[in-house]
Amino acid sequence: QKEVEQNSGPLSVPEGAIASLNCTYSDRGSQSFFWYRQYSGKSPELIMSIYSNGDKEDGRFTAQLNKASQYVSLLIRDSQPSDSATYLCAVTRNQGGKLIFGQGTELSVKP
Amino acid sequence: GAVVSQHPSRVICKSGTSVKIECRSLDFQATTMFWYRQFPKQSLMLMATSNEGSKATYEQGVEKDKFLINHASLTLSTLTVTSAHPEDSSFYICSARDRRIRGEAFFGQGTRLTVV
Repeated sequence: QKEVEQNSGPLSVPEGAIASLNCTYSDRGSQSFFWYRQYSGKSPELIMSIYSNGDKEDGRFTAQLNKASQYVSLLIRDSQPSDSATYLCAVTRNQGGKLIFGQGTELSVKP
Repeated sequence: GAVVSQHPSRVICKSGTSVKIECRSLDFQATTMFWYRQFPKQSLMLMATSNEGSKATYEQGVEKDKFLINHASLTLSTLTVTSAHPEDSSFYICSARDRRIRGEAFFGQGTRLTVV
């Protein structure tokens, strides 16, 4: 079992729809959870961080965390073609150690 | 968010030569930095953890004598690819975590290395 798992996609949604990205992790000691967006040929960009159970909203993005189910998700409302990218889920046990990344989900938003 | 600067963004070198890549945290001190490589259509692969003032910790399968890491200050880590070969051609990315904001990790711009 991989430490962090994501559906590789591609996930295709029409413009204006909600895109739902999912991630599961195996280490119950994980404390911090991050979502990164990576455009082709570029480095990852942090878009959301979440540390406690529940929802966290930032603009069109909502991260959801359920530690009991070891599940974290990212919702993108009103999806735009510019949201087309690969989304990486990352988890870590502490503030200084390495992040464990999933393989990424490719999102395609069709005009 | 915090700023991590990586240089150069692109480099082409001849087979057998060495290439140095720099990673700087511009507005915070990073006792730990991370080096990744990424092949096309694949996820990030952690190569090593760079520790300020001490030896780097390499992931399994990564040759420490080939990928030399130096973290001489709290804001600078370097990765040197020694005796580069075409199979070392890849996208190399550094990252640093900012403890001021609960350890959020920020990435440099990445270095596209092509060995010819």
